[in-house]
Amino acid sequence: SAVISQKPSRDICQRGTSLTIQCQVDSQVTMMFWYRQQPGQSLTLIATANQGSEATYESGFVIDKFPISRPNLTFSTLTVSNMSPEDSSIYLCSVERLIQETQYFGPGTRLLVL
Amino acid sequence: AQKVTQAQTEISVVEKEDVTLDCVYETRDTTYYLFWYKQPPSGELVFLIRRNSFDEQNEISGRYSWNFQKSTSSFNFTITASQVVDSAVYFCALSATGANSKLTFGKGITLSVRP
Repeated sequence: SAVISQKPSRDICQRGTSLTIQCQVDSQVTMMFWYRQQPGQSLTLIATANQGSEATYESGFVIDKFPISRPNLTFSTLTVSNMSPEDSSIYLCSVERLIQETQYFGPGTRLLVL
Repeated sequence: AQKVTQAQTEISVVEKEDVTLDCVYETRDTTYYLFWYKQPPSGELVFLIRRNSFDEQNEISGRYSWNFQKSTSSFNFTITASQVVDSAVYFCALSATGANSKLTFGKGITLSVRP
């Protein structure tokens, strides 16, 4: 499996501000995904980060609120924009190699919005 | 549409007890993958196992074992001789086979192992 890191590991932010979360993999991967896990809940897929093109968003998530970049095969960012307390969650990135068909997850970013 | 049901929400056992975590799924795909992930209090999601739908052999890995029954659409996970370090939230998940197949997660089961 790949070694995946996320920065920051946690943050406390004020409402109305934005936070960019980074996901770095130690080797090239085909797919990168971003998930949200609200307190006490399961994981919900936000979007698939596509290398060199716009991310593919799931129903209920929009680019203006969660802009995503993926400039290469080892790195992606997720921005949570204009935050409100409802955005308080764990945000996790996951990666998948084409032949593996298994997603491996980063350590997550715990976000608290006041 | 795919669906994963983990009917148990919280389980509490005493150390050394055996515990089984249930998972029932629904899918229209003819081939698919089933997964179990573990999320300890640190928050990281740890991959435990992937099972292909055409492989119904049960699997054992140390104290962990998995029972896949296609006839009942279940993929249950048993921890033998549980330990305090097994305390975590356990998620069952489902995806179609092939690239870019999305994971559908169950709601998770919180397992507490008391010393």
